[in-house]
Amino acid sequence: DVKVTQSSRYLVKRTGEKVFLECVQDMDHENMFWYRQDPGLGLRLIYFSYDVKMKEKGDIPEGYSVSREKKERFSLILESASTNQTSMYLCATRQVPKGLFFGSGTQRCFL
Amino acid sequence: GQQLNQSPQSMFIQEGEDVSMNCTSSSIFNTWLWYKQDPGEGPVLLIALYKAGELTSNGRLTAQFGITRKDSFLNISASIPSDVGIYFCAGRMNYGGSQGNLIFGKGTKLSVKP
Repeated sequence: DVKVTQSSRYLVKRTGEKVFLECVQDMDHENMFWYRQDPGLGLRLIYFSYDVKMKEKGDIPEGYSVSREKKERFSLILESASTNQTSMYLCATRQVPKGLFFGSGTQRCFL
Repeated sequence: GQQLNQSPQSMFIQEGEDVSMNCTSSSIFNTWLWYKQDPGEGPVLLIALYKAGELTSNGRLTAQFGITRKDSFLNISASIPSDVGIYFCAGRMNYGGSQGNLIFGKGTKLSVKP
């Protein structure tokens, strides 16, 4: 079975802090994704990566950056956390030709 | 950007009832996927569809890829309390490769009364 592990299930941070969200997968998948999920807005793609060192902007990349130094790890970075970044963050990997496999999510709250 | 229309937004049903939900798009998709999300967890893939007209079952769940390639439905038969959750449809316009990321519907929230 595919395993996608996200660091921290719940996190409360102060606005202005730099925040790292880590995601690790154990299936050697090339494609990895970061989404945020908000009530009424569904899942929105922030960034994705097709391979190590590669990254592409999704639909809502503003305020975020990513890092993919190793194939199994995809990090989402909030340079200066803001209250409108309070959300559920979901990491996923892709197994072609099947769909995305998600981690359990990280619920972040910025005060 | 591209959007999927998923309906209904929410459903309140009695245990044992059948459930039906669907997604429609203005564009043609090559792949349709159905996910379920339990509270506090990430979405889990239930069924994947790759061909127009394809009908696939997974236990009490059945999903179909519409003939027009612009829609898909999910049926749940004889619902039970553990069916509670949010069901998402997702579609992809390009098959395989690096292009063609998934587009998600906004979800159908299912509540089941025992």
